[in-house]
Amino acid sequence: AQTVTQSQPEMSVQEAETVTLSCTYDTSESDYYLFWYKQPPSRQMILVIRQEAYKQQNATENRFSVNFQKAAKSFSLKISDSQLGDAAMYFCAYRSARNAGNMLTFGGGTRLMVKP
Amino acid sequence: DVKVTQSSRYLVKRTGEKVFLECVQDMDHENMFWYRQDPGLGLRLIYFSYDVKMKEKGDIPEGYSVSREKKERFSLILESASTNQTSMYLCASTLGGGNSYEQYFGPGTRLTVT
Repeated sequence: AQTVTQSQPEMSVQEAETVTLSCTYDTSESDYYLFWYKQPPSRQMILVIRQEAYKQQNATENRFSVNFQKAAKSFSLKISDSQLGDAAMYFCAYRSARNAGNMLTFGGGTRLMVKP
Repeated sequence: DVKVTQSSRYLVKRTGEKVFLECVQDMDHENMFWYRQDPGLGLRLIYFSYDVKMKEKGDIPEGYSVSREKKERFSLILESASTNQTSMYLCASTLGGGNSYEQYFGPGTRLTVT
């Protein structure tokens, strides 16, 4: 079974600075997808960024980018120019490409605090 | 915009009660999911459904059942609520098939069992 580990329960960053959230996963498969989801306080979970394992290029979405290291099974999220609205719980998630049900395996989450 | 709604944001029930949590999505998604979210444990899959009347157990199905009579609606049932089922429950939906489709989440139901 796949597992996803987020080793940082809490992180804090100064507004306008850069922060990196860590995620590692364990799998024996070669084809899969990785996701970062954001859950703001009292608001719905939304997708931040996704990465297909077969793509070597790291995904980027505006201020959000990932560092995908397939051999190391590492998938970190970098948030540049942090804003107060980035404060949230962040979850890393894994999905096998063989999984037609699109089921996700989530990490334990990292609570990000942004200091003004 | 995809919309996933859940019947209640907050719910307080007594031990032994039967509890129904309802989830509705409006984007004709084939797959629907129920998760529970607990601090430090992230989201854990309880059940999912890939079609009407079809269901599969997730990682923690004990004490729960589900029902999907219509494509847009997926219900989670606690047959006899217990205090260890106090948690945040999240519903999600996504398109079927194998791809990097994102899951769309509802706002969550915070259930307290006393």
